[in-house]
Amino acid sequence: SQQGEEDPQALSIQEGENATMNCSYKTSINNLQWYRQNSGRGLVHLILIRSNEREKHSGRLRVTLDTSKKSSSLLITASRAADTASYFCATDKGAQKLVFGQGTRLTINP
Amino acid sequence: DVKVTQSSRYLVKRTGEKVFLECVQDMDHENMFWYRQDPGLGLRLIYFSYDVKMKEKGDIPEGYSVSREKKERFSLILESASTNQTSMYLCASSSSTEAQETQYFGPGTRLLVL
Repeated sequence: SQQGEEDPQALSIQEGENATMNCSYKTSINNLQWYRQNSGRGLVHLILIRSNEREKHSGRLRVTLDTSKKSSSLLITASRAADTASYFCATDKGAQKLVFGQGTRLTINP
Repeated sequence: DVKVTQSSRYLVKRTGEKVFLECVQDMDHENMFWYRQDPGLGLRLIYFSYDVKMKEKGDIPEGYSVSREKKERFSLILESASTNQTSMYLCASSSSTEAQETQYFGPGTRLLVL
């Protein structure tokens, strides 16, 4: 059962630009998490935002959460070539069972 | 640093074979998970475990079983491999502490069933 859906499915930008990815979900959540996956590797946790939070920052990452719209966005500022990866949102409805979206493939062009 | 290791990066098996995928974590995490990842479908939860000898079905348990005899090790078993089980398999672990919901992933095992 897919809960989170990312948009766009693919995004290609120039190095230095900002990248924004969106995630929508269907039911109430405890928290929403963003993960990154480099090609052919495991996922790496980026940031977690709880249902009572609206915005969170971590370095060049900014995550927002709008529970009324059941949506979240991940902004990566001043992108670098090393940011090229797939990004997944995952919703936690409780008991730490995460439901992942299909991901956004981000390409940073030098 | 949390480390989650998986026994193989790449595996090629024949239809009907019994396949074991092993996952070990070194952070004394209570929770362990097995996912499969397929293009266009994202990650789907196969099985998970909240404690030794405990297991719970995820969203797609058919054709799989699991074993958790020790806290650090969670095994995924394909009883009789089929071609539709060709996929990337990802193991993850997490702590049961309320403030520690992050899942830590292994590097993945890419399984090809011929």
